[in-house]
Amino acid sequence: KAGVTQTPRYLIKTRGQQVTLSCSPISGHRSVSWYQQTPGQGLQFLFEYFSETQRNKGNFPGRFSGRQFSNSRSEMNVSTLELGDSALYLCASSLQVNEKLFFGSGTQLSVL
Amino acid sequence: SQQGEEDPQALSIQEGENATMNCSYKTSINNLQWYRQNSGRGLVHLILIRSNEREKHSGRLRVTLDTSKKSSSLLITASRAADTASYFCATDRGSTLGRLYFGRGTQLTVWP
Repeated sequence: KAGVTQTPRYLIKTRGQQVTLSCSPISGHRSVSWYQQTPGQGLQFLFEYFSETQRNKGNFPGRFSGRQFSNSRSEMNVSTLELGDSALYLCASSLQVNEKLFFGSGTQLSVL
Repeated sequence: SQQGEEDPQALSIQEGENATMNCSYKTSINNLQWYRQNSGRGLVHLILIRSNEREKHSGRLRVTLDTSKKSSSLLITASRAADTASYFCATDRGSTLGRLYFGRGTQLTVWP
């Protein structure tokens, strides 16, 4: 079985731009969650989707949004990028809620 | 917000030695999980222990859980240089919604 695939692997943007990150979960996994990882804040939960519905959202501003498609693939979007959005964005999928998350390699976003 | 707090923040040992990492948390849980992360990559699930379990083994890994003290420990026996990574504990805070709360992690360095 293929693992969780995240694209792109690296991204460089400038302040004010927007970005879309993509995540393909493991086949059969309907739960997809997103995390932001920074040296200062550690791993912070962004949101979780199950069967195209956002079930849980972390404490991030409205500039951060996401969606899930009928094939369970997910995207997250960050608009009006700020320097502080520079981070490793990790997507994870799981068969059962809150159990054994399978993570992708992440998208390293740098905002200049 | 963080849930788990790993201790120590950093651990440096020689190959062949045992490595013990601890995790404390603050709320009730359904389960506690340990993950490993190599620098700049995604997290890899190591082991899940449920709230009604006290100890679990997987290869060279041994995890204990003390719900009365709200703490867990991860023991890696006979460490190898390849075990060098960051180790995180994660809990669900008793929720069934798709969200895990991660600690700050322990950076383990195993010297050959």
